[in-house]
Amino acid sequence: DAGITQSPRHKVTETGTPVTLRCHQTENHRYMYWYRQDPGHGLRLIHYSYGVKDTDKGEVSDGYSVSRSKTEDFLLTLESATSSQTSVYFCATRLGLGLATEAFFGQGTRLTVV
Amino acid sequence: TQLLEQSPQFLSIQEGENLTVYCNSSSVFSSLQWYRQEPGEGPVLLVTVVTGGEVKKLKRLTFQFGDARKDSSLHITAAQPGDTGLYLCAGARYTGTASKLTFGTGTRLQVTL
Repeated sequence: DAGITQSPRHKVTETGTPVTLRCHQTENHRYMYWYRQDPGHGLRLIHYSYGVKDTDKGEVSDGYSVSRSKTEDFLLTLESATSSQTSVYFCATRLGLGLATEAFFGQGTRLTVV
Repeated sequence: TQLLEQSPQFLSIQEGENLTVYCNSSSVFSSLQWYRQEPGEGPVLLVTVVTGGEVKKLKRLTFQFGDARKDSSLHITAAQPGDTGLYLCAGARYTGTASKLTFGTGTRLQVTL
């Protein structure tokens, strides 16, 4: 267990409002990822970070932004929430670039946009 | 369009049966991992395969990485109810300075008595 905490665990928000999800890790892992999980799509990568202030886009980054000001925290912001962003969001961390490096996941945040 | 497609999407079998799950891509990956996810939890790593053609066994589970490192399979022998869950493959690719981990579409397995 890499000590990954996601907050909040559940959130209901209205269309058009900004929302920020937080991922906090205690293991000093360099790499952090945000995924969304929807039925039939597995996990889709939104954004990832390879160090403090170093981030890049994943496959489904439109409408999302991220920030990483400290090693332990990776924030995901929905700039103006839409119903299509209703999903379960998972944060993951990896220690390094090794080929067999395991990804550790948080327990997820269930977001509902109404 | 997702880079990693898994099949089948759903699988319901009885205890004792064998099954195979496939993970296919047109892209080459540096390594491929398999995870299992229980309801309400995040995925947990089962195995990593790195070399093309590699076969790894984990008790009743056998994992294979394709020769071209574009596809993989997971075979379960004599499935048990405890094998029930969502199985996800994940491919790692380097982007120069970082490592992207891309997940497949998932296979939901239900094993009944």
